[in-house]
Amino acid sequence: GENVEQHPSTLSVQEGDSAVIKCTYSDSASNYFPWYKQELGKRPQLIIDIRSNVGEKKDQRIAVTLNKTAKHFSLHITETQPEDSAVYFCAASKTSYDKVIFGPGTSLSVIP
Amino acid sequence: GAVVSQHPSRVICKSGTSVKIECRSLDFQATTMFWYRQFPKKSLMLMATSNEGSKATYEQGVEKDKFLINHASLTLSTLTVTSAHPEDSSFYICSALTSGPNTGELFFGEGSRLTVL
Repeated sequence: GENVEQHPSTLSVQEGDSAVIKCTYSDSASNYFPWYKQELGKRPQLIIDIRSNVGEKKDQRIAVTLNKTAKHFSLHITETQPEDSAVYFCAASKTSYDKVIFGPGTSLSVIP
Repeated sequence: GAVVSQHPSRVICKSGTSVKIECRSLDFQATTMFWYRQFPKKSLMLMATSNEGSKATYEQGVEKDKFLINHASLTLSTLTVTSAHPEDSSFYICSALTSGPNTGELFFGEGSRLTVL
């Protein structure tokens, strides 16, 4: 089955700096890669996703890149703000209608 | 976005009892729901895929007789932890898949924290 790894497990950045979280996946049949943000005590929420027919996608301060050949994908957050502090999970799925397998998570702290 | 409601949010029970957790899609029909388990400061571990009108598909290592899943309608899936023991204490969270012409998005319930004494 699919296995998703994620690095780093914790990340601390100064407000205004960029944060990068990297993930790898094992199943070459995966084609859908969502990213979720989970604030303390709250439910995970989708922040951005990317499909295998696209190499990069951007939404304001958040961007994701995908290298399907290498089975790598990354989340980039620019101009970080304290409210970006949360746990971020990458995930992989065959399609957006299939089960989603999560990475172990990255705890991001943005220091004011 | 779509709303998924989970109940109860917290439950404490004695060892040996069974606990039922409900997951409802409030404003959409969900043919597929997923049940996850999350340990403190850990990731979401997929337990099973729940399909309306059919048997759930369990992930490897998840005891189907221990964690009973029922998806009797397009808006409700239930997880019953049978004969709960302290090691079953965890945060259980459901998610429902929206359907649409181009994309299915996963929406999560609030989660249920189970404590087994």
